[in-house]
Amino acid sequence: SQKIEQNSEALNIQEGKTATLTCNYTNYSPAYLQWYRQDPGRGPVFLLLIRENEKEKRKERLKVTFDTTLKQSLFHITASQPADSATYLCALGNRDDKIIFGKGTRLHILP
Amino acid sequence: DADVTQTPRNRITKTGKRIMLECSQTKGHDRMYWYRQDPGLGLRLIYYSFDVKDINKGEISDGYSVSRQAQAKFSLSLESAIPNQTALYFCATSGTGAYQPQHFGDGTRLSIL
Repeated sequence: SQKIEQNSEALNIQEGKTATLTCNYTNYSPAYLQWYRQDPGRGPVFLLLIRENEKEKRKERLKVTFDTTLKQSLFHITASQPADSATYLCALGNRDDKIIFGKGTRLHILP
Repeated sequence: DADVTQTPRNRITKTGKRIMLECSQTKGHDRMYWYRQDPGLGLRLIYYSFDVKDINKGEISDGYSVSRQAQAKFSLSLESAIPNQTALYFCATSGTGAYQPQHFGDGTRLSIL
């Protein structure tokens, strides 16, 4: 069956360092991958999309990589700040636009 | 004003009751979705609708029904609520066309006693 794994349930990173979150998948051939941020008591908010033929995407302090051979995406936040503390979800979409979500990683940026 | 509005935000009810959760959107999107989120299980799709006349079951539709009253409105019903339907429920919308992001409401926290 299709499976998405976000490798850490929770991650603690010192302020100013780069936070790296991992999303692995099996039994799935995604056309694209998305990353979302979710704050407590709020719905997920879209951050970035990367297509299967793209290796890397950047937006301000965010960087996403996508390796379809390894079946893995890495999500990086550089110069992390306490305000970056949240849960981050990855989501895979296929060509029929069916999306499946990972369980998320809770990121804590420590001052 | 929020683009995707869910009502109520919180609801506590008893086993066997019928419950309706409502979602309205001002984004002009054709596609709407209902998810539930449980600790340790992530977001799971209940139903989705790609336009007013199109309703599709998602991964976990048993025990739920939906109605798409208009492009802007998509409601989720629990005909006879049971305790394991206690969860956080999210409505989302997306535009048509490939690879569109989803836009979520802030959820309804539903507790069934």
